Amino acid sequence: EVQLVESGGAVVQPGGSLRLSCVASGFAFKDYAMHWVRQVPGKGLEWVSFIAWDGTNAHHAAFVEGRFTISRDNSRNSLYLQMDSLRPEDTALYYCAKGPNRVSWAFDYWGHGTLVTV
Amino acid sequence: DVVLTQTPASLSVAPGQPASISCKSSQSLLHGTGFTSLYWYVQKPGQSPRLLIYEVSNRFSGVPDRFSGSGSGTDFTLKISRVEAEDVGVYYCMQGLHLPTFGGGTKVEIK
Repeated sequence: EVQLVESGGAVVQPGGSLRLSCVASGFAFKDYAMHWVRQVPGKGLEWVSFIAWDGTNAHHAAFVEGRFTISRDNSRNSLYLQMDSLRPEDTALYYCAKGPNRVSWAFDYWGHGTLVTV
Repeated sequence: DVVLTQTPASLSVAPGQPASISCKSSQSLLHGTGFTSLYWYVQKPGQSPRLLIYEVSNRFSGVPDRFSGSGSGTDFTLKISRVEAEDVGVYYCMQGLHLPTFGGGTKVEIK
């Protein structure tokens, strides 16, 4: 069974930093693209960041470019999101999501999310 | 960015009746390799989103066959042939051509 467990969400002051983590199990993590997607409570979904299976290709949404950095450690089955220069508008539930293949821009499984409040 | 426009924003359906949700894209979602990068997700109350349909019309693992997707190019539709109480939630279309974007969501309620 695919499981994605996020952690690291917290209350932080504007301008502060956080590092989100996502631990994956139930599939060969090293063979799949991964994403972060966020949702303001009660609102819609917003893609944040993508990283390819081997970490050599990564992209961020324009509204976080230069402030957030996605990374992964395939030896630890873990995905990360380093969030710097946080703004009140970054307040959201952050989901880790698995891609269906090595480089896909889509997602087939989601975690339960971790809440970031700025 | 690709803009997805979903309609209606909300839908109230009697159990056993059909439901249909439209998703229109600002540009074609046909990938150069031949597949169309349009997906449907449902977010039930208090839960994470879950994949229902991938690449326009393929049901994901475990999705009941009362759910179907259709369309091409820029116009897509999700249909529920007979709505059940467990289908309550918000349905989102999403494009994965590049830099994913989501539709605004359609809230499905039971009459």
